[in-house]
Amino acid sequence: GAVVSQHPSWVICKSGTSVKIECRSLDFQATTMFWYRQFPKQSLMLMATSNEGSKATYEQGVEKDKFLINHASLTLSTLTVTSAHPEDSSFYICSAPGQGMNEQFFGPGTRLTVL
Amino acid sequence: RKEVEQDPGPFNVPEGATVAFNCTYSNSASQSFFWYRQDCRKEPKLLMSVYSSGNEDGRFTAQLNRASQYISLLIRDSKLSDSATYLCVAPNSGGYQKVTFGTGTKLQVIP
Repeated sequence: GAVVSQHPSWVICKSGTSVKIECRSLDFQATTMFWYRQFPKQSLMLMATSNEGSKATYEQGVEKDKFLINHASLTLSTLTVTSAHPEDSSFYICSAPGQGMNEQFFGPGTRLTVL
Repeated sequence: RKEVEQDPGPFNVPEGATVAFNCTYSNSASQSFFWYRQDCRKEPKLLMSVYSSGNEDGRFTAQLNRASQYISLLIRDSKLSDSATYLCVAPNSGGYQKVTFGTGTKLQVIP
């Protein structure tokens, strides 16, 4: 199946710093990618939809100025957590839709820990 | 009502047992559903898709009950390696290719 990569796989940073997470589709093009966040013992929550060549659309309650999304090419979307705080510590996962209805290919996730 | 609801478990079953999970959904117009498996600290991996006719793959069977708006996942002859969290996924009415995840049902298969 299609492969989606994420980088870094884990990151530890100090409070107040910004962290960039990359999501790449390795063998296919993705005009749309999704960013999810998963807190411990909770499910994946969709944060935003990343659209190549246009602005991302954010889910209710997600601050667009804090979670900056850039979909610069057909194979790369980036999520930047700006001025990270400990409450932003979470597992961030991206996905790209496949050909089938509601088919999703997930990246391996990025574990962010903010001290 | 939540878009997708699951019993969080945990379900603790002995090896070889048969176990079933249900997942209810709120959007009656939804056509396709999915079961994903998620191991601890890993990304979800697609286990099965579920359409009107149900789906069977080896020890796993998924079925859809439109009248009662739930999908089920049946695992026969449980293996230790089946221990994981099983996520129910339904289409999200908010946009194309958007999906909503359930909170997951944790399964622990015991030797």
